[in-house]
Amino acid sequence: GAVVSQHPSWVICKSGTSVKIECRSLDFQATTMFWYRQFPKQSLMLMATSNEGSKATYEQGVEKDKFLINHASLTLSTLTVTSAHPEDSSFYICSARGVGAGFEAFFGQGTRLTVV
Amino acid sequence: AQSVTQLDSHVSVSEGTPVLLRCNYSSSYSPSLFWYVQHPNKGLQLLLKYTSAATLVKGINGFEAEFKKSETSFHLTKPSAHMSDAAEYFCVVSDVNSGNTPLVFGKGTRLSVIA
Repeated sequence: GAVVSQHPSWVICKSGTSVKIECRSLDFQATTMFWYRQFPKQSLMLMATSNEGSKATYEQGVEKDKFLINHASLTLSTLTVTSAHPEDSSFYICSARGVGAGFEAFFGQGTRLTVV
Repeated sequence: AQSVTQLDSHVSVSEGTPVLLRCNYSSSYSPSLFWYVQHPNKGLQLLLKYTSAATLVKGINGFEAEFKKSETSFHLTKPSAHMSDAAEYFCVVSDVNSGNTPLVFGKGTRLSVIA
C-alpha cells in the first residue's frame, strides 16, 4: 500500500512554545489530508481536513488559530500547535487520500506530543 | 452523515478461542468499511477493508469480516486468538465515492487475550 510518513514520532516541548508536525505521502499525491487527535484510551477524533492549496476545514471545537494546518503541496501537510499547553498533550495522527491511492486513507505513524 | 457503533468497549477471550468484535454502521452513501488495529503507543495498522466488492473480506493475521447490508454490520472475526492480538481495534466508515470524506472512527474495542 501507499506510504505516509509522519515526523517526529514523539516530541516534548515547554509550555508556550510551538511544535510543527510533518506528514508526507511518499509514493502518491495526497489531494486530501486529515489530522486526527487521540487522547489516552479514546478513539481518534477528526480535527481538520485540508485539500492541497486550500484552507483547512476545522471540526467544531477545534481552534484554527491554535492548530495551524498547511497543505501547500501534494505530498506535504504540516500541523503546527502554537503556544502549546499541557492539555494539548496527545497523540496526533495524519491521514492522506489521493491520486494513486484509491479510496483508502493511509495513516502516518503518529506523533506523541508531551507539553511540560 | 456517517457513524460507527462498536458494540463492546472491551472483549476478553482465552488464547485459542474465537474472536468476535462487533460493529454497526450508518451511512447515507455506499460505504467503505475498514478495521484498524492499534497496539499500545503505536500507530494504526489496516487489518482489512470492504469497498463494494466481495462481502466477505479476508485480512491480515487471520482476521476476516463480513459486510451485511441488511443488518448494517461489519463484524470482525478470527477463529483462534493469539496473545499478540491483544490491542485496540477500530471499525471505520467512509464514503466510497469521495476522496474528500474523512474516515469516521468508532470508539474502539479493547481486546484482551488470556493465556
